[in-house]
Amino acid sequence: GNSVTQMEGPVTLSEEAFLTINCTYTATGYPSLFWYVQYPGEGLQLLLKATKADDKGSNKGFEATYRKETTSFHLEKGSVQVSDSAVYFCALSPVSSSNTGKLIFGQGTTLQVKP
Amino acid sequence: EAGVVQSPRYKIIEKKQPVAFWCNPISGHNTLYWYLQNLGQGPELLIRYENEEAVDDSQLPKDRFSAERLKGVDSTLKIQPAELGDSAVYLCASSSPQGMGPLTFGSGTRLTVV
Repeated sequence: GNSVTQMEGPVTLSEEAFLTINCTYTATGYPSLFWYVQYPGEGLQLLLKATKADDKGSNKGFEATYRKETTSFHLEKGSVQVSDSAVYFCALSPVSSSNTGKLIFGQGTTLQVKP
Repeated sequence: EAGVVQSPRYKIIEKKQPVAFWCNPISGHNTLYWYLQNLGQGPELLIRYENEEAVDDSQLPKDRFSAERLKGVDSTLKIQPAELGDSAVYLCASSSPQGMGPLTFGSGTRLTVV
C-alpha cells in the first residue's frame, strides 16, 4: 500500500544551521509529493510540492527533490531561522487518486530552532 | 480571502456524549475533506465530498461518526456517542473542483473526551 515515513523528531538546531528532514515513501507509479508545515496553533499549510521524478519543489528557502530511484523527498534549508520552528509533514497523493486531492501523510517531524 | 473556518477550536466532553464540528470551506471550493489527526501522528482522511456528495467515506467509522454537507458548502461532522479514543484534532480542508488545486486546511477542532 501507500505510505510515508519521516525521520523521528524533534530536530533541534541553532539559528543559521543547515536543515535536512528525511522522507521516504512507498507507492506504485509516480505519486505527487508534498511538504506541509504546521505552525503552533495554526492549520497545515502547503510548503512545496513536486509532481514528477527529478522535479524540485521550493518555497521560502526550503527545497525538496523528487527522487524516484531512492523513493525519497527530503526537505532541506540552508539556513534556518527561529521562525521556522514548526511541525513538518511529508505527504503523497497516490497516482490512483491524482484527481481527488487525497493525501497520505507521514507522522510529522518537529523542528525547534534556537537563537 | 477568508480561509477554511472551523468551529469550535476546542471542545471537552464526557464520554458517551454527542459532539459536532462545523466547517466552512473557501468560497468556490467544491471539494471538502475531513481529516483526523491523533497526537504525534499525521492526518488521516475520514471523508471527502464533491459538492454535497460523499465520494470517499471508506475510512469513516460509521457506527458512531456521521457527516453531512447538505447544500454543498459548509459541513458538519458528528460523533455519537464519543469514546475516550476519539480525543484528537479534527481537521477540515477544501480544494478547487475534483481536488485539482492544493488543499487548504482549517485550524482544526481539538476534541478532548474525558
